[in-house]
Amino acid sequence: AQSVTQLDSQVPVFEEAPVELRCNYSSSVSVYLFWYVQYPNQGLQLLLKYLSGSTLVESINGFEAEFNKSQTSFHLRKPSVHISDTAEYFCAVSESGGYNKLIFGAGTRLAVHP
Amino acid sequence: GAVVSQHPSRVICKSGTSVKIECRSLDFQATTMFWYRQFPKQSLMLMATSNEGSKATYEQGVEKDKFLINHASLTLSTLTVTSAHPEDSSFYICSARGLAGLNTGELFFGEGSRLTVL
Repeated sequence: AQSVTQLDSQVPVFEEAPVELRCNYSSSVSVYLFWYVQYPNQGLQLLLKYLSGSTLVESINGFEAEFNKSQTSFHLRKPSVHISDTAEYFCAVSESGGYNKLIFGAGTRLAVHP
Repeated sequence: GAVVSQHPSRVICKSGTSVKIECRSLDFQATTMFWYRQFPKQSLMLMATSNEGSKATYEQGVEKDKFLINHASLTLSTLTVTSAHPEDSSFYICSARGLAGLNTGELFFGEGSRLTVL
């Protein structure tokens, strides 16, 4: 069965500093990988996704994630964070092909301080 | 991107009553909808998967008689919490997948519904 591990429950960082949110997964088959962001009392918004092709994927607001098959990781990075990036970030995985459900990690709370 | 609307966003009810939450895909046909439950500061727990026109598939440990799911059309799924109790208080989030996401698993999420049972 597939699973997702987000190693850090909370990541405090100062504004304009770089940040990395870690995500590791386990699966016996090929996977699709996602990062979602959740702001307080809201649903989830897709930040970026890896389906196939280039292992480095980017979002429109400066985040990027790299799929590393050998390390079964999909870490999320941003070179310079803003206060507005404060939110909960969830890594998720689905097994490729068919009617597959999305399994979420426990989430990482990113807190950006001035 | 695709839009999923969830209603109500907040609901407060008395213990023993039933509450219905609606999830609508506004600009696409959702062949599959998923219902998640989220406790404070925790991740999303998948409760059930529903495909249009068929019975929902519940995850282990989720009471199907307590959490009734109906997916009567390609744009609407409902979750009814029957005989709600305080321990059912939670944030419920629906998500929908259209044909385009059939193989990728990509989901579009509603805004969530916060249920408080007194």
